[in-house]
Amino acid sequence: SSELTQPSSVSVSPGQTARISCSGDILAKKYVRWFQQKAGQAPVLVIYKDTERPSGIPERFSGSISGTTVTLTISGAQVDDEADYYCYAASGNNRFGGGTKLTVL
Amino acid sequence: QVQLVQSGAEVKKPGASVKVSCKASGYNFTSNDINWVRQATGQGLEWMGWMNPISGHTGSAQRFQGRLTMTRNTAITTAYMELSSLTSEDTAVYYCVGPADWGQGTRVTVSS
Repeated sequence: SSELTQPSSVSVSPGQTARISCSGDILAKKYVRWFQQKAGQAPVLVIYKDTERPSGIPERFSGSISGTTVTLTISGAQVDDEADYYCYAASGNNRFGGGTKLTVL
Repeated sequence: QVQLVQSGAEVKKPGASVKVSCKASGYNFTSNDINWVRQATGQGLEWMGWMNPISGHTGSAQRFQGRLTMTRNTAITTAYMELSSLTSEDTAVYYCVGPADWGQGTRVTVSS
C-alpha cells in the first residue's frame, strides 16, 4: 500500500519526549521527510532522508527508521513545538500522512 | 536565501480555471523538481503533482489528472500551476514546494 499512517494526536508535557510515527509499506524503499506546520503558517521541513536535520532546525528534532515505520522524535519538547506534523514520501498518489497534532502542555 | 513567492489570492466561479505562479530565487531553479500541494481549511496536506524544471516533465496524483497543468518559465525562474473545472471542493490554500522550502501559499476560493 502507498498509504502513510500517522496517529491523529500526540500529547506531552514540556520537557518530555514526543514521538510521532509514520507507517507504510513504501517506507522500506523511499526516504521520508517530516514537515512541521504551525497554525496559519506554511509547513517547514524538519527532517529529510529519514534522519537528516536541515540547518537551523534544533537538535532536539531527530528521525529514525525501523522496517516500514519511521519516527520523528522531539527530545525535551517545548511549548513552541506545538504544531501539526506530516510525514511525506515521494511515491504514489498519497504522499503525505494524515498529520499528527502535537500538543505540549 | 531560498524564496518561493506565490501570486495572490483568487476567487473563481465553479467551472472556471485558476493559474497560480511561484517565483523562485536563491537557488538553482533547474536543480530540483517543483511540487504543488494544497490544503483545505482544517484539513491535511494533499500532494497534487510535480514538475521537472529542466525537461518540463510532470506527474500528478490520479485525482487531478486531466485538469491539472504545471508549466514553467526558466528565464524568469517561475513555475505555474493551473487547475481547471473548479468546484467548491477545490477551495483551499495552494503551495509550491522547492527543494526544502515552501511558498507562502495562495488561497483559492471557488464560489458562485
